[in-house]
Amino acid sequence: QKEVEQNSGPLSVPEGAIASLNCTYSDRGSQSFFWYRQYSGKSPELIMFIYSNGDKEDGRFTAQLNKASQYVSLLIRDSQPSDSATYLCAVGVFSSGGSYIPTFGRGTSLIVHP
Amino acid sequence: DAGVTQSPTHLIKTRGQQVTLRCSPKSGHDTVSWYQQALGQGPQFIFQYYEEEERQRGNFPDRFSGHQFPNYSSELNVNALLLGDSALYLCASSHKQGIENSPLHFGNGTRLTVT
Repeated sequence: QKEVEQNSGPLSVPEGAIASLNCTYSDRGSQSFFWYRQYSGKSPELIMFIYSNGDKEDGRFTAQLNKASQYVSLLIRDSQPSDSATYLCAVGVFSSGGSYIPTFGRGTSLIVHP
Repeated sequence: DAGVTQSPTHLIKTRGQQVTLRCSPKSGHDTVSWYQQALGQGPQFIFQYYEEEERQRGNFPDRFSGHQFPNYSSELNVNALLLGDSALYLCASSHKQGIENSPLHFGNGTRLTVT
């Protein structure tokens, strides 16, 4: 059973601070890693994806991957109240059926307070 | 460029009934995946369709079935509805690139309530 673990939170940070969201996964064969943002009552929205060890930056967002530790994180710099949402970590592995199926964690709730 | 569209947005059904949910993928995408998301949980994979065939299935009973049409659109059917089937049903599309898929893009979901 492939597992993706996230702290459900809520993680509360002040406006302007760095928010750090973490995710661990169980399948060492995992190849692709995604972060989605989901506002209450809405569908998930892709923020970033990362395939290789190290950091990947996109604007205020940085994804960090450490395959040896089976750990992926998302940093949000200069957090804004509009960043308040649930952040879903998804980990993809190539299945025996020839398909590529991301498994999702339960998400971390982030609250950015003014 | 139209994104992933799902219909209907909301649905209320009674236990034992059957329901059909529909999805049109994002332009340029050929693969459709269906997920069920219960309140407070992450999306759970139901199945994935590519080239009109079910390619992979998650841990869901046979009451859940699907179909993909030649234009890549897809349907999710659920028979003999249970109260526990109440959830947000998400359709996600992607494009198969070699042995991998592009990241999933989600539709707005269908909120199913079973009473």
